[in-house]
Amino acid sequence: AQSVTQLGSHVSVSEGALVLLRCNYSSSVPPYLFWYVQYPNQGLQLLLKYTSAATLVKGINGFEAEFKKSETSFHLTKPSAHMSDAAEYFCAVSSSAAGNKLTFGGGTRVLVKP
Amino acid sequence: ETGVTQSPTHLIKTRGQQVTLRCSSQSGHNTVSWYQQALGQGPQFIFQYYREEENGRGNFPPRFSGLQFPNYSSELNVNALELDDSALYLCASSLGGGVRQNTEAFFGQGTRLTVV
Repeated sequence: AQSVTQLGSHVSVSEGALVLLRCNYSSSVPPYLFWYVQYPNQGLQLLLKYTSAATLVKGINGFEAEFKKSETSFHLTKPSAHMSDAAEYFCAVSSSAAGNKLTFGGGTRVLVKP
Repeated sequence: ETGVTQSPTHLIKTRGQQVTLRCSSQSGHNTVSWYQQALGQGPQFIFQYYREEENGRGNFPPRFSGLQFPNYSSELNVNALELDDSALYLCASSLGGGVRQNTEAFFGQGTRLTVV
């Protein structure tokens, strides 16, 4: 069985400040981990994914995430927030590198203040 | 914008009715997964179709059923609609099954279903 916990349903950051979104996972098999972004009234867009090649994963729009097996975490960061980063972010786990049959966390909504 | 299209974008149904949602997968993809996203929550996996066969199912009752066609497009059918079925329904297409699974799943924009 797999599960994902995202700490904090809402995060507010100032433009230019660090964005940190927390994700912890539980998996009985080696996990593949994903971060998706969802803008209002839209589907999900893949930001980045961990597929065991490297523990530090760089994604689109300046985001990156670090896989820490000892902490069962896959936190998402961006050094400097932009207004366009305001969206909802979902962490997900799968037993497939292609991201099939994803198990999602509850999501974190990011608000960016000018 | 992905090559995954869903129809309709919105619809309103009455409790007890039946609904069919449609998804056209991205060219070259043979796998479609369906998810239910209730308001304020993360998506939940409903089921997946691979080459016209169901290939895994989440914790959803049998009144949620699906089909995949030879062109790999898919339908999600929900019978005996309940108020709690109100949600955004997302489909995702990918390439799966015995090949090197290094492709990502691409999501459509979803169908927002409201049950009244």
